[in-house]
Amino acid sequence: DTGVSQNPRHKITKRGQNVTFRCDPISEHNRLYWYRQTLGQGPEFLTYFQNEAQLEKSRLLSDRFSAERPKGSFSTLEIQRTEQGDSAMYLCASRPFGGGTPDTQYFGPGTRLTVL
Amino acid sequence: SQQGEEDPQALSIQEGENATMNCSYKTSINNLQWYRQNSGRGLVHLILIRSNEREKHSGRLRVTLDTSKKSSSLLITASRAADTASYFCATVPSNFGNEKLTFGTGTRLTIIP
Repeated sequence: DTGVSQNPRHKITKRGQNVTFRCDPISEHNRLYWYRQTLGQGPEFLTYFQNEAQLEKSRLLSDRFSAERPKGSFSTLEIQRTEQGDSAMYLCASRPFGGGTPDTQYFGPGTRLTVL
Repeated sequence: SQQGEEDPQALSIQEGENATMNCSYKTSINNLQWYRQNSGRGLVHLILIRSNEREKHSGRLRVTLDTSKKSSSLLITASRAADTASYFCATVPSNFGNEKLTFGTGTRLTIIP
């Protein structure tokens, strides 16, 4: 399967714990995006990378959230001191920049986080 | 925050009928895209229409765009049970360098066999 992959698919944690999610984009896709989707809503943009550089962060990304893409390939999203309001589906997407279908992002299956 | 609203929020039709869902947005756009999401899974891109286009077709899908009204519609013809999903419109703003997709609230479509 050469699509975007995300791990884990499901994560249950207790409030106050730290969690880390991983996203592996489609090979050669230099842009990588993170979104958050709560129940019954559309996805909301969190941040995106061009290779290893983080180019934009949403105001939704509080100080407890940090995203990295150290080698310009996979990315991690860490949430520190989780709160119940962090419960959501975290979606990763990627696309080639400068080629391929313009502006079309390819999404992974998501990581569903439940904070108890 | 969400860019706009989709209408209706939920739609149930018989298999074989056509399904129409609408999307309104707030700001000037470069393009508008429609995505499908099955039951808590990732999103699948369906079709993209640019701001200078008025209508586009892809298989059983027809998308229209009215930039003067800041609205779009997605028509699925001859619906199938497999079309049951949530459908989202997403916009890319017209200002250069703005990368993020801004999604609507979605329409939940149920096809009754």
